[in-house]
Amino acid sequence: DTGVSQDPRHKITKRGQNVTFRCDPISEHNRLYWYRQTLGQGPEFLTYFQNEAQLEKSRLLSDRFSAERPKGSFSTLEIQRTEQGDSAMYLCATSWDGTGAEAFFGQGTRLTVV
Amino acid sequence: GNSVTQMEGPVTLSEEAFLTINCTYTATGYPSLFWYVQYPGEGLQLLLKATKADDKGSNKGFEATYRKETTSFHLEKGSVQVSDSAVYFCALRMSSGNTPLVFGKGTRLSVIA
Repeated sequence: DTGVSQDPRHKITKRGQNVTFRCDPISEHNRLYWYRQTLGQGPEFLTYFQNEAQLEKSRLLSDRFSAERPKGSFSTLEIQRTEQGDSAMYLCATSWDGTGAEAFFGQGTRLTVV
Repeated sequence: GNSVTQMEGPVTLSEEAFLTINCTYTATGYPSLFWYVQYPGEGLQLLLKATKADDKGSNKGFEATYRKETTSFHLEKGSVQVSDSAVYFCALRMSSGNTPLVFGKGTRLSVIA
């Protein structure tokens, strides 16, 4: 296990379809974050888990978005009824607890809604 | 709310030039500060960090000092290389509680030979 793994790397979908992304964390990390990054912008926080508990959700996370982390291991992010505005890079990051703990990022899933 | 402001890019420098990328933050408490780098086609990687005032983070020739009085964490390198071409992101994370990283918009650096 050398890092955070995200699948798929790329996803093209038609407007209105549902999509699901997966993130496999570094095994010792109990914190898992989802971010969205659009062109020319920094990553924007979507949601955060500590173990299996979803502790915080951004106002960016509309009711079409849902995230899970069963048993505190891998996580999934589902987008229902996709819209063109959902097109972005979706990033997963994981970390230890602790002040100043750095986050390790996966390579992201690029979503294109056509 | 907490936020990070970075200088606008792109920044284009010749090899061996001095680099400064400005970063200032707004926070209600005492954040930890980070610089992340994103090379073309790769994920975000931590470049350096500082967790308290006057700390200096350093890595790969890059440095940044946590300045509480000016709420800044400017990134510097004395002599850039072509391989430093990437997008650089400044970020903060509050030290208390379970909080996510807050990022700036990023600064694209291009180094030409």
